[in-house]
Amino acid sequence: DTEVTQTPKHLVMGMTNKKSLKCEQHMGHRAMYWYKQKAKKPPELMFVYSYEKLSINESVPSRFSPECPNSSLLNLHLHALQPEDSALYLCASRRLGISYNEQFFGPGTRLTVL
Amino acid sequence: SQQGEEDPQALSIQEGENATMNCSYKTSINNLQWYRQNSGRGLVHLILIRSNEREKHSGRLRVTLDTSKKSSSLLITASRAADTASYFCATDKTGANSKLTFGKGITLSVRP
Repeated sequence: DTEVTQTPKHLVMGMTNKKSLKCEQHMGHRAMYWYKQKAKKPPELMFVYSYEKLSINESVPSRFSPECPNSSLLNLHLHALQPEDSALYLCASRRLGISYNEQFFGPGTRLTVL
Repeated sequence: SQQGEEDPQALSIQEGENATMNCSYKTSINNLQWYRQNSGRGLVHLILIRSNEREKHSGRLRVTLDTSKKSSSLLITASRAADTASYFCATDKTGANSKLTFGKGITLSVRP
């Protein structure tokens, strides 16, 4: 299995809702990433998990809360989002080790905040 | 913050022609990677070149790296309509954490 899967594909939520994005991989990768991508812009790194521990938080607002419950799963919990948070949210994973630099991306969740 | 800057921003070519995309960056790097993204989808890794390498090939792809000029180029030979996508260069400063910084991207259109 060489895929990163993300659910849901699309999500529409109000500013008072709580929702979660899910990412899963079964490649044995121990680094997992969340990116945010606005239309016609490059992906921007949000969070990095290494060995299920948060290693990088790129000063992301607390209304985004990541969670890595095990080595295959990565969640992004959303609460009290703003319309400007509407974007494509991409998950990626990578095998840890200095020789392994390629990241494998999921298809993304298209989030719309009303 | 964005490190890679690709040019041109948009490129339109005829099927069968070669497409050359350039990327410049500002700081020292461990490696530079190129990714492709079809409209609204996830990114697909194309090729990686390390800072001690000058050129790499993979199928119809050729990437070069000039660390003295802090620049890289991606050549796609004999382009196909299916190559139509956005292409991003991404720099990785340390290798160990593989924290990628993406350039703004190039939109490639290949006309059948």
